[in-house]
Amino acid sequence: GNSVTQMEGPVTLSEEAFLTINCTYTATGYPSLFWYVQYPGEGLQLLLKATKADDKGSNKGFEATYRKETTSFHLEKGSVQVSDSAVYFCALIKAAGNKLTFGGGTRVLVKP
Amino acid sequence: DAGVIQSPRHEVTEMGQEVTLRCKPISGHNSLFWYRQTMMRGLELLIYFNNNVPIDDSGMPEDRFSAKMPNASFSTLKIQPSEPRDSAVYFCASSFGARATGELFFGEGSRLTVL
Repeated sequence: GNSVTQMEGPVTLSEEAFLTINCTYTATGYPSLFWYVQYPGEGLQLLLKATKADDKGSNKGFEATYRKETTSFHLEKGSVQVSDSAVYFCALIKAAGNKLTFGGGTRVLVKP
Repeated sequence: DAGVIQSPRHEVTEMGQEVTLRCKPISGHNSLFWYRQTMMRGLELLIYFNNNVPIDDSGMPEDRFSAKMPNASFSTLKIQPSEPRDSAVYFCASSFGARATGELFFGEGSRLTVL
C-alpha cells in the first residue's frame, strides 16, 4: 500500500535559520505529492504540490522537489520566521486514487 | 468566500452520550471528507463522499460511528454512544473535481472530549 514517512519532530530552530523537513514515500506508479501546513488551532492548508517527477512546488518561500529516483519530497525554506511555527504534513495521492495518504506530521517551532 | 464550516468547535460530553458533528463544505465542491486527528494515530480518514454518496467508509472505526450527507451543502458525523477513546479533533474537508486531485480545503475542526 501507499505510505509517507516524515522525520520525527519537533524541530526547533532560530529565526532566519534554514529549514529542511525530510519526506519519503512508497507508492506504485506516479503519485502526486503535497505539503500541507497546520497552524495552531486551525485546519490543514495546502502549502505546495508537485504532480510529476522533477517538478518543484513552491509557495511562501517554501520549496520541495519531486525526486522519483529517491522517492522523496523534502520541504525547504531558506530563512524561517516565527510565523512559520506549525505542523507540516507530507502527503500523496495516486494518479487513479481517491484518497490522500498523510505522513505523521512534523512540528516546527521557530524561536525569535 | 466562506471556507469549510464546522460546528461545534468544541464539545465536551460524558461517556455514553450521542455526539453530532456538522459540516458545511465550500459551495460547488462535490467531494467531502471526514478526518480524525489524535496524537497517537495522527490524521485518519474516516469516510468520504462524492456527489453526496459515500464512496469509502473503511476508516470508520466501528458501528458507533455513522456519517450522512443529505445534500451538497451539509454533512454530519455521529457517534453513539461516545467513549473516552473517541476524544480527538475531527476535521471536515471538501474538494472539487470529477476525480480526486489531493487539493483539500479543511475546516477548523471540532475538538471532542469525552469524559
